[in-house]
Amino acid sequence: KAGVTQTPRYLIKTRGQQVTLSCSPISGHRSVSWYQQTPGQGLQFLFEYFSETQRNKGNFPGRFSGRQFSNSRSEMNVSTLELGDSALYLCASSLGDFGTDTQYFGPGTRLTVL
Amino acid sequence: DQQVKQNSPSLSVQEGRISILNCDYTNSMFDYFLWYKKYPAEGPTFLISISSIKDKNEDGRFTVFLNKSAKHLSLHIVPSQPGDSAVYFCAASALGGSEKLVFGKGMKLTVNP
Repeated sequence: KAGVTQTPRYLIKTRGQQVTLSCSPISGHRSVSWYQQTPGQGLQFLFEYFSETQRNKGNFPGRFSGRQFSNSRSEMNVSTLELGDSALYLCASSLGDFGTDTQYFGPGTRLTVL
Repeated sequence: DQQVKQNSPSLSVQEGRISILNCDYTNSMFDYFLWYKKYPAEGPTFLISISSIKDKNEDGRFTVFLNKSAKHLSLHIVPSQPGDSAVYFCAASALGGSEKLVFGKGMKLTVNP
């Protein structure tokens, strides 16, 4: 099976712009979660989508949004970019069953905001 | 409020020796725990997991121990190999609920040849 893919791998934007990141989950996985990784904060949960619905949400401002399509692919959007948004954004997919559900991560998108 | 804590940011061990990575949690609702390994420029990869009905789970060189009363888990790697050098994340979630996966900040393991 192909793994989780994320595009683009690297992105440079300037403050005030917006950005859209894409994630394709492992075939058959219905849940997609997004995380932000920064050196000081580690992995922080952004949100989770399951069957096109947001099922869980972390403590991030409304500038961070996402969606999931019927084929389980997901996009994450960040509007009005700030310097502090520079981070590695990771997507993880899983079957979506509650309980012992293991997430599998993509390689991430490195976003740099200048 | 950090619910999953990896208090040591780094660990350095000699090849062939044991590596012990520790993780503490505060939320008593957590009852499923995972360890992920992350190399630079790659996403985290799943390593091993344990549910609260067990206190130990082994997979080859990797063993995870869970002490529920102390809200503590540890990952043992024996013997350690240079290829094990990576950042290790501990994560936890509540079984059967809608709790998201909560990660620690990670710990960098360096295994010296």
